[in-house]
Amino acid sequence: EVQLVESGGGLVQPGGSLRLSCVGSGFSLSTSWMHWVRKAPGKGLVWVSLIKSDGTSTTYADSVKGRFIISRDNVKNTVYLQMNSLRDEDTAVYYCATDRYYTLNVWGQGTTVTVSS
Amino acid sequence: QSALTQPRSVSGSPGQSVTLSCTGTSGDVGGHNYVSWYQQHSGKAPKVMIYDVSTRPSGVPDRFSGSKSGNTASLTISGLQPEDEADYYCCSLAGSYTWVFGGGTKLTVL
Repeated sequence: EVQLVESGGGLVQPGGSLRLSCVGSGFSLSTSWMHWVRKAPGKGLVWVSLIKSDGTSTTYADSVKGRFIISRDNVKNTVYLQMNSLRDEDTAVYYCATDRYYTLNVWGQGTTVTVSS
Repeated sequence: QSALTQPRSVSGSPGQSVTLSCTGTSGDVGGHNYVSWYQQHSGKAPKVMIYDVSTRPSGVPDRFSGSKSGNTASLTISGLQPEDEADYYCCSLAGSYTWVFGGGTKLTVL
C-alpha cells in the first residue's frame, strides 16, 4: 500500500525552528515530485512548497519564502521541511503529498505544528 | 499567490445535484487544464476527486464531475449521498511551479 507518514510536529515558541519529515512506504519516493501543504485551524488548505525528484529544484509560497527549506533524501525515502523563524500564523496541520502530473495525488495524515509562547 | 475564490458553503438534499464553483485568473485556472478538486472530511487527509479539470481517479464515483469555463472551474456532485458531506477545495497550478488552493466550500447534505 502506498503511504506517506509525517512526523516532527510539536509546540514551538515564536522565532523557533522545527524540522518535519515525510516518509514514504510501498513505493519509491525518489521518482516523485513532493509537496508540503498546510491547514491552519478554521482555515483552508494552503500550498507551501514543492521539491522535484532529484532535489535540484524547489519552489515556495510567498508566505514562507526565506524561512522554510524543503529537501529530500531519496536513499531514506524521506522529504523534509525545515521551518525557521516560526510565527503564530504558521500554526497548522502540515501534510506532505506526492505529485502526479501537477495533481497532489497521495497525501499523508498530517503532523500538527503549534507556534505559541 | 491569491487564493482561488470558492463559496463558503453549499447545501443540498440527498439525491439532488449541487455545483461548487472555483474562480481564479488567467494566470492559474484560466491558463491551463491543471485544475484539481479535493474532498476533506473533518480530521482526515484530503483526497483527490477530480484532476486535469474533469478526470476522475479510479475509485471515485461517477457522480462527481468537473468542468471549466474561462477562469472558473466547477465541481458537480449528482445524486448527493450523506457521505458526500465534507469540505471541498479546488487547486490550480499557478505558474513557475507554484500551486494555489481555493478557500474551500463546506458541503452540507440536509
